[in-house]
Amino acid sequence: EVQLLESGGGLVQPGGSLRLSCAASGFTFSSYGMSWVRQAPGKGLEWISGVSTSGGNTYYADSVKGRFSISRDNSENTLYLQMTILRTEDSAVYYCAKGDRGANNYYLDYWGQGIVVTVSS
Amino acid sequence: DIQLTQSPAFLSASVGDRVTITCRASQGISSYLAWYQQKPGKAPKLLIYAASTLQSGVPSRFSGSGSGTEFTLTISSLQPEDFATYYCQQVDSYPRNFGQGTKLEI
Repeated sequence: EVQLLESGGGLVQPGGSLRLSCAASGFTFSSYGMSWVRQAPGKGLEWISGVSTSGGNTYYADSVKGRFSISRDNSENTLYLQMTILRTEDSAVYYCAKGDRGANNYYLDYWGQGIVVTVSS
Repeated sequence: DIQLTQSPAFLSASVGDRVTITCRASQGISSYLAWYQQKPGKAPKLLIYAASTLQSGVPSRFSGSGSGTEFTLTISSLQPEDFATYYCQQVDSYPRNFGQGTKLEI
């Protein structure tokens, strides 16, 4: 059974940093692209970052480029999102999501339960 | 960046109705489009990928069509569990934007 378990969320002050983790199990982690998607309270889904199977290619939405960094540890089956220079508008539920293939054009077939990040003073 | 525009934003319907949601892309994306369903407090669920392929385990009353810039999600006979918010997403290029969502209400 595929499982994605996010951790590392919480309350942080504006300008602060936070690192989210997503522990994956039930599939060969290194064979699939992975993404982070967030959802601000009462708003729609926002894709924010993706990474290739090896971790060598990373992609970002303009809203987080230069502040967030995605990475993966295939030996530990874990996806990360390092978030820095956090803003109040980064407050959201953050979802880790698994791609359905190793190729670049992957769809998100499994999602974690989401973790809340609140940026507030 | 490719923008996706969903219509309508809100849709009121009844059990048994046939409903269609449209997603328009700002430029051609071939068939690189997915549809997701999200219920309150839950993670999204993949329904359709590659514009028209039904994800495993998804009821056959859901169907998708389209290519290029115009896509549709159709639910042939609404069931109570289908009342949710639906999103399209393009995977043709980065950033992998979502549409703004369509809330399907009773």
